[in-house]
Amino acid sequence: GAGVSQSPRYKVAKRGQDVALRCDPISGHVSLFWYQQALGQGPEFLTYFQNEAQLDKSGLPSDRFFAERPEGSVSTLKIQRTQQEDSAVYLCASSLYGPSGKNIQYFGAGTRLSVL
Amino acid sequence: AQTVTQSQPEMSVQEAETVTLSCTYDTSESDYYLFWYKQPPSRQMILVIRQEAYKQQNATENRFSVNFQKAAKSFSLKISDSQLGDAAMYFCAYRTNTGNQFYFGTGTSLTVIP
Repeated sequence: GAGVSQSPRYKVAKRGQDVALRCDPISGHVSLFWYQQALGQGPEFLTYFQNEAQLDKSGLPSDRFFAERPEGSVSTLKIQRTQQEDSAVYLCASSLYGPSGKNIQYFGAGTRLSVL
Repeated sequence: AQTVTQSQPEMSVQEAETVTLSCTYDTSESDYYLFWYKQPPSRQMILVIRQEAYKQQNATENRFSVNFQKAAKSFSLKISDSQLGDAAMYFCAYRTNTGNQFYFGTGTSLTVIP
């Protein structure tokens, strides 16, 4: 596709529900990143994939958060037993090559998750 | 640990005027990259400008330029001839040359006054 696509755009969940957020990166992009952006804050790193391999998950806040990218393209971020503090915008980004500071990350428009 | 600080939560500028957004960062690395991203209400982060730390020359992209002071760990963004479409949140970000993640500041909300 022309850009990074995320769905759904908005998600409302009741506390305790499981949610799945989808990211469709730019075709051919090797690297994929997930970020969490709380209201009024900058994005914070959650996890990184190079192709299908999850190379860094140091930013995942708890074991309720799980991400996968089984075929090296589309990725899903799953949050189990959602809590109110999980309410945020979840951003996905992709870049053409592997980890290098010069590689530009292209961002999607994010999924706004509201946990009631 | 790497941190990025944006000390101006909000800024405003008159249309056609110039505005400077501030950013400082903390790192022990010598090789890294700095970025300014724009986030309009649509939420999509758009790259405005990028600076390689090993380059002394300040990056420019049309009306956007940076003042990179490596010793002071300062990376400010100057927007010249401000336009209504420049109104957005602006985030400063840092990334090491080999690191996986960006470190973002808390953002500056820019208002452009007609």
